[in-house]
Amino acid sequence: DAKTTQPPSMDCAEGRAANLPCNHSTISGNEYVYWYRQIHSQGPQYIIHGLKNNETNEMASLIITEDRKSSTLILPHATLRDTAVYYCIVRIPNTGGFKTIFGAGTRLFVKA
Amino acid sequence: ETGVTQSPTHLIKTRGQQVTLRCSSQSGHNTVSWYQQALGQGPQFIFQYYREEENGRGNFPPRFSGLQFPNYSSELNVNALELDDSALYLCASSWSSGGHGYTFGSGTRLTVV
Repeated sequence: DAKTTQPPSMDCAEGRAANLPCNHSTISGNEYVYWYRQIHSQGPQYIIHGLKNNETNEMASLIITEDRKSSTLILPHATLRDTAVYYCIVRIPNTGGFKTIFGAGTRLFVKA
Repeated sequence: ETGVTQSPTHLIKTRGQQVTLRCSSQSGHNTVSWYQQALGQGPQFIFQYYREEENGRGNFPPRFSGLQFPNYSSELNVNALELDDSALYLCASSWSSGGHGYTFGSGTRLTVV
């Protein structure tokens, strides 16, 4: 099973870009990279996903390296409300379905 | 459109008891997954249901069981509760078995004493 590695915590100044890295060196060719975040006492919130190409939506940008062994989630202008745990996940097929395996994530602290 | 709703929000049970947690999927979603999240850890996959059948399971014992109903709502049942079962239980729905992006509920906080 492909797994991900993320730094346990990061700090970012309010208004600056937050760049959250993720290593997934054993990712297979048909697995997608997904990012979720979890604000305290709430369920995880989907942010973005990608396969090979870089992706952007209203929340963030996802940069995937050409060899797909790592990716970076970019929050272009971090706000205090972006303080959360960010999870990088790769999708794994399992008995006809998919299971989403969460690691420990990166705890992002956005400071004023 | 409504999101994923879970009930109850909090629950206290005694060791050895049984518990049923409930989840209403987001409108249009036919797949539901359940996760257990211990304090300070990431969510751990329990199982997934697609069109009323279990089609994926994590490393949880058989005393964790589930159901999905024709309206795609779901239940998680845990028998013979243990102290280590104390956790936040999250339900997530998506539009297909392999769909992109799950919508999570806010969870049920279960405390076993």
